[in-house]
Amino acid sequence: AQSVTQPDIHITVSEGASLELRCNYSYGATPYLFWYVQSPGQGLQLLLKYFSGDTLVQGIKGFEAEFKRSQSSFNLRKPSVHWSDAAEYFCAVGAGSNYQLIWGAGTKLIIKP
Amino acid sequence: NAGVTQTPKFQVLKTGQSMTLQCAQDMNHEYMSWYRQDPGMGLRLIHYSVGAGITDQGEVPNGYNVSRSTTEDFPLRLLSAAPSQTSVYFCASEDRGLGELFFGEGSRLTVL
Repeated sequence: AQSVTQPDIHITVSEGASLELRCNYSYGATPYLFWYVQSPGQGLQLLLKYFSGDTLVQGIKGFEAEFKRSQSSFNLRKPSVHWSDAAEYFCAVGAGSNYQLIWGAGTKLIIKP
Repeated sequence: NAGVTQTPKFQVLKTGQSMTLQCAQDMNHEYMSWYRQDPGMGLRLIHYSVGAGITDQGEVPNGYNVSRSTTEDFPLRLLSAAPSQTSVYFCASEDRGLGELFFGEGSRLTVL
């Protein structure tokens, strides 16, 4: 069965430091991969997506993610975080024509001043 | 741009009461869905629709009904509320069925 694992429930990072949020998935073929961000009290917003091609994808707000097939991972990175990046981040997997996404449990990002 | 609009934003119900969460989108998206979000569990799909007149069950459909009479609207009905339905509910729409979801701001429901 398809699944998505975000191993870190919370991550605390100092403002200006680099960030990496981990996402591992279980799926037989090449999936569609997504990162969404949820600011406090808000709905989710798409940060970036991978469908095919270049395994390093760029998203909004300075985020990027790298698809590594050998590790079944799609980790989210940002070189320098800002206080406004404090939010919860969700990794999701879609498979083929099935548009029903499988969601990770989320990682809450806390920014230290 | 309105995008996806959900109402109400907050609701308190007593066990056994019924209610409808409204969802409307103005992007002419064919696909719409309802999720519930519970702490530590990510989002779970309740029901979805691939177009007007077509609905199907997701991962956690029990206790909920949906209908899709127009492209724009996708209401979620709680038939007889239970405390286990206390959650934050999100409506989402997407354009091509490839997972690029547009979410509403959520409806926080408490069932006493």
